[in-house]
Amino acid sequence: GAGVSQSPSNKVTEKGKDVELRCDPISGHTALYWYRQSLGQGLEFLIYFQGNSAPDKSGLPSDRFSAERTGGSVSTLTIQRTQQEDSAVYLCASRPTGRSNEQFFGPGTRLTVL
Amino acid sequence: GEDVEQSLFLSVREGDSSVINCTYTDSSSTYLYWYKQEPGAGLQLLTYIFSNMDMKQDQRLTVLLNKKDKHLSLRIADTQTGDSAIYFCAESYGSSNTGKLIFGQGTTLQVKP
Repeated sequence: GAGVSQSPSNKVTEKGKDVELRCDPISGHTALYWYRQSLGQGLEFLIYFQGNSAPDKSGLPSDRFSAERTGGSVSTLTIQRTQQEDSAVYLCASRPTGRSNEQFFGPGTRLTVL
Repeated sequence: GEDVEQSLFLSVREGDSSVINCTYTDSSSTYLYWYKQEPGAGLQLLTYIFSNMDMKQDQRLTVLLNKKDKHLSLRIADTQTGDSAIYFCAESYGSSNTGKLIFGQGTTLQVKP
């Protein structure tokens, strides 16, 4: 079956531009997570959506970062006025309700800010 | 704050056992996980252990948890070249069931033929 998909797979942008990263979770998964993996670093939690509840934005590094999840499915992570330190791989994961905490990860979007 | 630490690199010969170690700080974590990341691929859950367990075995994988020392290890028996990857230790965020995870930096496992 289809797993978590993310687009684009690679994005190169200029400093100061806005970018949008998309995540399509596994159908029926109610929880969706965004993480950031910087070079040589572990994964850093960014934001978490669970059903219709207010998202947990506690991991967003600055107010330039925002995310939304429309209709409980697709999610978009937006980074405004990108900076070079935003360069990283952005990973999305989804999780079904009622299971253990197994998260299913997408392949990621590699963002490079020049 | 919460932190998860791992050694960065491990090299073994094919057929040997590999042991990857991890320490964590949040004693209220309910679950602890091992994820595998192969080049160009997303993270794949390998195994997890509930915090009231000491050990879990799954085919070639053995997870040991020392809750007193907040130490987690992953042993891979009969390591194969296909096991070469980055292995991430992760803990659940506190005792809640949000699924938020705190990851270590990852251990790169190199398996030499």
